Amino acid sequence: GAVVSQHPSRVICKSGTSVKIECRSLDFQATTMFWYRQFPKQSLMLMATSNEGSKATYEQGVEKDKFLINHASLTLSTLTVTSAHPEDSSFYICSATKTGGPHEQYFGPGTRLTVT
Amino acid sequence: AQKVTQAQTEISVVEKEDVTLDCVYETRDTTYYLFWYKQPPSGELVFLIRRNSFDEQNEISGRYSWNFQKSTSSFNFTITASQVVDSAVYFCALIARAAGNKLTFGGGTRVLVKP
Repeated sequence: GAVVSQHPSRVICKSGTSVKIECRSLDFQATTMFWYRQFPKQSLMLMATSNEGSKATYEQGVEKDKFLINHASLTLSTLTVTSAHPEDSSFYICSATKTGGPHEQYFGPGTRLTVT
Repeated sequence: AQKVTQAQTEISVVEKEDVTLDCVYETRDTTYYLFWYKQPPSGELVFLIRRNSFDEQNEISGRYSWNFQKSTSSFNFTITASQVVDSAVYFCALIARAAGNKLTFGGGTRVLVKP
């Protein structure tokens, strides 16, 4: 199989604090991981693409200083939302690919972030 | 640029009815992959199918079937004899090499199956 986990599944934090979300590929090595954001009743929007050992590539309009992505190993990528505000409340989903090609992305179960 | 359009935002059917979800895509690349995902209320995306641009064969998997037509740039999805458990949001998505292998999602179609 190809299982991707995310932790935590839900998190509530206060405005101004930072929160870290982990994405792990449990049974395969992920050369590339992707981070998506999904607002209620909307589609998934790609935030950034990260390759192990290199800097993430952010999509237009995504603040790289606010959404810090680290892909330190072939099985772990983290997304840190810094100085979170209520408008950052969303469903964050990661995915991973086994190779760098246009193959199936394996999705994590998502993390629901609520900023109060 | 690549784009995926799901014109139907919400479809409501009664159990056992068939439902067809439309998906139209745009890409300049000749090599691309099309996907369908199901997102139940829990939020986790469930992979349903992948089809590459060189394989126009239609596919059937249980109550699910897919119709891929390159001539109209469409990749439609039909659920036969719908069940309440089919209630979810369904996303069509595209990866094209020219777009850096990024997955582009359509807006999604919410399917509500009533008992």
